[in-house]
Amino acid sequence: AQRVTQPEKLLSVFKGAPVELKCNYSYSGSPELFWYVQYSRQRLQLLLRHISRESIKGFTADLNKGETSFHLKKPFAQEEDSAMYYCALVDYHGSSNTGKLIFGQGTTLQVKP
Amino acid sequence: DTAVSQTPKYLVTQMGNDKSIKCEQNLGHDTMYWYKQDSKKFLKIMFSYNNKELIINETVPNRFSPKSPDKAHLNLHINSLELGDSAVYFCASSQDLGQYNEQFFGPGTRLTVL
Repeated sequence: AQRVTQPEKLLSVFKGAPVELKCNYSYSGSPELFWYVQYSRQRLQLLLRHISRESIKGFTADLNKGETSFHLKKPFAQEEDSAMYYCALVDYHGSSNTGKLIFGQGTTLQVKP
Repeated sequence: DTAVSQTPKYLVTQMGNDKSIKCEQNLGHDTMYWYKQDSKKFLKIMFSYNNKELIINETVPNRFSPKSPDKAHLNLHINSLELGDSAVYFCASSQDLGQYNEQFFGPGTRLTVL
């Protein structure tokens, strides 16, 4: 079954420390993966997507098919990075896309001063 | 301008009541979604519509009935509310069903069933 796992419910680091938010997936095909973020009192929004291979707000994520992972990394955490982070996978039904996103359980990142 | 809006923001009601949550997007998108976020913050898709046509119905009880009067609106009607329906409901939209498309989320509606 298609599944996204974020093993850490809470990750707490000090400002300036490196951050790695873990995401593992189970998918029988070529996955399309995203990271979404929800800052306090704001709506859920896209942070970055695998296909773009971009760096947003200093965050990067690399797809590792061998380890079925898509971990989110940032070399130096900032206090404004504190938020809830969701890893998500696009689920295809056969050869057609339904737009369905499967979300992980979410990880709360807390960056302490 | 708000891209995806939901009303109401908070909804407190008694078990057994019927309630509706409205969603509107002004992005010109073809596809809209409803998600449920439970008390553990787990986010799960309920429905998706593309050009007013139902695409996904993710084993949601019949008490939940989405309605899309036009591409810009996707409302969620819930009959005979139960305690377990208490959650935050998010509406979202995307340009179309393309697999790389960003989904834009509404602010959420916190439903509390007493």
